[in-house]
Order: sequence, then C-alpha cells, then structure tokens
Amino acid sequence: GESVGLHLPTLSVQEGDNSIINCAYSNSASDYFIWYKQESGKGPQFIIDIRSNMDKRQGQRVTVLLNKTVKHLSLQIAATQPGDSAVYFCAESSAGGTSYGKLTFGQGTILTVHP
Amino acid sequence: NAGVTQTPKFQVLKTGQSMTLQCAQDMNHNSMYWYRQDPGMGLRLIYYSASEGTTDKGEVPNGYNVSRLNKREFSLRLESAAPSQTSVYFCASSEIYEQYFGPGTRLTVT
Repeated sequence: GESVGLHLPTLSVQEGDNSIINCAYSNSASDYFIWYKQESGKGPQFIIDIRSNMDKRQGQRVTVLLNKTVKHLSLQIAATQPGDSAVYFCAESSAGGTSYGKLTFGQGTILTVHP
Repeated sequence: NAGVTQTPKFQVLKTGQSMTLQCAQDMNHNSMYWYRQDPGMGLRLIYYSASEGTTDKGEVPNGYNVSRLNKREFSLRLESAAPSQTSVYFCASSEIYEQYFGPGTRLTVT
C-alpha cells in the first residue's frame, strides 16, 4: 500500500539553530498532512497541519512546506530549543467521507538539540 | 478536560492470555482509533471507529477486536495474546482531521 517515509532518521542541532525535518510521501491522492511530536514515554502531540490546496503554513516557531510536485513535506523549527528534542512524525490522509481522519504515519525522525 | 485516557499503563501477559485495553475521551469526538507502535517505527492503525456504532479494520487488525461502547469509549481486545503483540498501544480521537492521543499502554507478551 501507500506509505509515508522520512529521509533522515536522526537530526542533531545546536540550541538556537533552525531545524528542518523532511518527509516524502508516495500517495498522490493524499490531501491532508500533519506533523506530530512525540516525547519519550508520551503519546504524539499535534504540531501543525496543512491541506493539499496550500504550499505553506506557519505556526508559532514552526512552518510546514508542501511540495506536491515532488511529493515532499518539511517541518521547519525556528530557534530550536532543548525542549524540542523528540521524535517527529509526519502523517498523511487520503481517505474521504466518514473515514477522513485515517492517518498513515512515517517512521519518524529523532531530533536532538544540544545546549 | 482529561482528553484521551487509557488503562492500564503497563501490562504483562503470558502467551494465550486475553485482555482488554480501555480508552475514553471527553472531547465529544465522533472518531476514535487504536494504533500500535513498535520500537523505531511509526504508528500503525489497528482499528478505527468513524462514529458511534461503526468500526473498521486498519492496517494491522489480525489478532485484535474492538468495541465502540458509546461515543466516549473504544476498547481493544486481545483474545489470545502472542509475543508479536508486544508493543505500545495508543488510542486517539478526532472530530475531523487532528487526532488527539492518549498516553499509551505498554504491553509485553512473554
């Protein structure tokens, strides 16, 4: 079946740097994308989402970019802080109707922020 | 609001034993989900319920059953546990797109 994958399994940055986490997807019918942050021992926490009719969306210190031409998604974190250290997952949805909430998750990228 | 709650937090089973994982949400969401997460991997959908009274299989449903007891509660049952079901199980709920996750149940089958 279709899958969502990440280019980099680990990313190490210095505090204050900007971080970019990448994600490739293969299902051209995907129309909704979401990024989650998962800290050790906890459930995933919503960061930001984007619909396929957009190519950029900004939140607080985070920006998601969507390139549908090459089926690529990225999460940019500005001024990365030690509290940003976690596993980051992208997920996509392509189901319609009442099953719209079904998500397919990528494997995750471990972000480590060094003080 | 407690959000999504799961019980138990930890469980150890012997092969062949059965158990039910409980999940409840207080956000009045229509949809609920069960995922499993294995080490170094993303979440894989086991079953979901788009609304009260409906359930559907996800990516990895074999060995599991679910019950949408009411709008708040969605349980996952392992009838005969196997070592391959050792994993962390997450329940989630959503209104449309954004899913809210519980803290997880860490299950070990020996």
